[in-house]
Amino acid sequence: EAQVTQNPRYLITVTGKKLTVTCSQNMNHEYMSWYRQDPGLGLRQIYYSMNVEVTDKGDVPEGYKVSRKEKRNFPLILESPSPNQTSLYFCASSRGQETQYFGPGTRLLVL
Amino acid sequence: QQQVKQSPQSLIVQKGGIPIINCAYENTAFDYFPWYQQFPGKGPALLIAIRPDVSEKKEGRFTISFNKSAKQFSLHIMDSQPGDSATYFCAASTGGTSYGKLTFGQGTILTVHP
Repeated sequence: EAQVTQNPRYLITVTGKKLTVTCSQNMNHEYMSWYRQDPGLGLRQIYYSMNVEVTDKGDVPEGYKVSRKEKRNFPLILESPSPNQTSLYFCASSRGQETQYFGPGTRLLVL
Repeated sequence: QQQVKQSPQSLIVQKGGIPIINCAYENTAFDYFPWYQQFPGKGPALLIAIRPDVSEKKEGRFTISFNKSAKQFSLHIMDSQPGDSATYFCAASTGGTSYGKLTFGQGTILTVHP
């Protein structure tokens, strides 16, 4: 089954404790992206990657890091999480500009 | 800076009604305009998309109208059903080396009453 998987689905952490949210796709897509979803703000792009070792900033990259060492994986790293990073996070993948396939989301609470 | 502005924030219609969601954009380099549908607890899924070389695209009960000169596009849902109750997002992107950068609107929560 073609899909984008994210782990964990739910995470509660404390300020400053480094965390990683994993994302994996099995569709051999070149493009992958991370978004955060907040009420009233819609989906905002954090980082995107057009292929292995090629990444670029989205609209809200501050406080986040990404890496793309393998085509299928695109982890999101929060080196020192803060409460304003409490949000719902989505990973997505696509082949080119067309349909982006979204993962099920990761709900993060930073205390 | 919100490059894609979506309205209304929420919308309530009766079954069979025709909800209309509007989006306006600023960047004239945008050349791909998708709409995504999101059900509670799920990730967004592509509903329908349009490019600026056409003024309208229809897929089933869903229609996109596109006005390039006004930099606006809208989603119409014909004969709406309770199962259409969801959050709808418009989005826009450019081609070339930046095709991965997708900008979303703020979202519209649609409720269709039976």
